[in-house]
Amino acid sequence: EVQLQESGPGLVKPSQSLSLTCSVTGYSITSNYWGWIRKFPGNKMEWMGYISYSGSTSYNPSLKSRISITRDTSKNQFFLQLNSVTTEDTATYYCAKKAGGDYFDYWGQGVMVTVSS
Amino acid sequence: DIQMTQSPSSMSASLGDTVTITCLASQDIGNYLSWYQQKPGKSPKLMIYGATNLEDGVPSRFSGSRSGSDYSLTINSLGYDDEGIYHCHQYYEYPYTFGAGTKLELK
Repeated sequence: EVQLQESGPGLVKPSQSLSLTCSVTGYSITSNYWGWIRKFPGNKMEWMGYISYSGSTSYNPSLKSRISITRDTSKNQFFLQLNSVTTEDTATYYCAKKAGGDYFDYWGQGVMVTVSS
Repeated sequence: DIQMTQSPSSMSASLGDTVTITCLASQDIGNYLSWYQQKPGKSPKLMIYGATNLEDGVPSRFSGSRSGSDYSLTINSLGYDDEGIYHCHQYYEYPYTFGAGTKLELK
């Protein structure tokens, strides 16, 4: 069974970097595409970006200058780094696997991140 | 970016009712539309993909349809387990975008 689990700090100070890890079991991240999505208070969701089976990446232009998605294939993990965070980055962050049809078929449980001094 | 206008933002219905949630796409997205159900503290669960295809294991009470740029999720014979937030999602082009969500509660 495919399982994804996010981990990382729940509190980040403004102007600092947010770093999260997605640990995947039951499926190799060297196959398919793997993404980060966040849900803001009020339920609006935003696709942040993905890393592909080959390690290529694509980011939401709204975040392009601040975001980086990387991976460690030996640990079957991929990572999100978001720089220069503000209170508007307060959200629940999810990692997810793309199905062959490009929608997301498996999601992690999510990690709530609050940006506050 | 493609805007997905989802309505209603919230709704309350009774056990056994039929409810419909809609998303209007700001441009053509073909059938590249999925629906997710999310319960408090849980991850989104894929319900419908390709606008009309039921994900494995999802009850047949759920169905998706399309009329032009309007996409609908219909739930028949509403049960308490159907409470939650429903999100539509277009994956036609990047950046992928989502509707604002519909909170469904049972009376």
